[in-house]
Amino acid sequence: GQQVMQIPQYQHVQEGEDFTTYCNSSTTLSNIQWYKQRPGGHPVFLIQLVKSGEVKKQKRLTFQFGEAKKNSSLHITATQTTDVGTYFCAGTKAAGNKLTFGGGTRVLVKP
Amino acid sequence: GAVVSQHPSRVICKSGTSVKIECRSLDFQATTMFWYRQFPKQSLMLMATSNEGSKATYEQGVEKDKFLINHASLTLSTLTVTSAHPEDSSFYICSARDPMGRDTDTQYFGPGTRLTVL
Repeated sequence: GQQVMQIPQYQHVQEGEDFTTYCNSSTTLSNIQWYKQRPGGHPVFLIQLVKSGEVKKQKRLTFQFGEAKKNSSLHITATQTTDVGTYFCAGTKAAGNKLTFGGGTRVLVKP
Repeated sequence: GAVVSQHPSRVICKSGTSVKIECRSLDFQATTMFWYRQFPKQSLMLMATSNEGSKATYEQGVEKDKFLINHASLTLSTLTVTSAHPEDSSFYICSARDPMGRDTDTQYFGPGTRLTVL
């Protein structure tokens, strides 16, 4: 079945530094979505990428969808303590299908 | 924006009892809702897809007789954990798609229900 993998599993970042988390699918995706889950909270939708090679920005967050639509990345610049949480990517093989979640990248920020 | 609520947010029950969890879409109608389970520090695992007016579709390995799903209206889906045991203790989260929204594939998550079975 479809598998979605994320690396790294854990990311310790010094406040102010940049980091990137990567998402890889075993199959070509129709679209990929990113969610953020704060400790004790529930996943909150961040963004959806649909087109091959698509790049979207949300303030300090840059999301990219690979040309082959099998991988994606999330890059955060100038990390802040508010960025703490687990970032999940989730992909769907076809529009309207169920989402398959990656294992998540747990981000800890050192002040 | 699309809002999904869940009730209760936290429940503690004795082994052998049944627990019902409600998932509601507050400002949109959802023909499809999803139920996930999340263990501590792990990812979300899809349990089943709840379809309004028809039977739920369960993922492989999920016992449909243990996790009863009812999607009786366009704004409400319920998950009943029957004869709960300690190993059923987990964080249960529902989500829903807004078929009239800008991104129809986006899933909006409820706040989750933390179930503890003693």
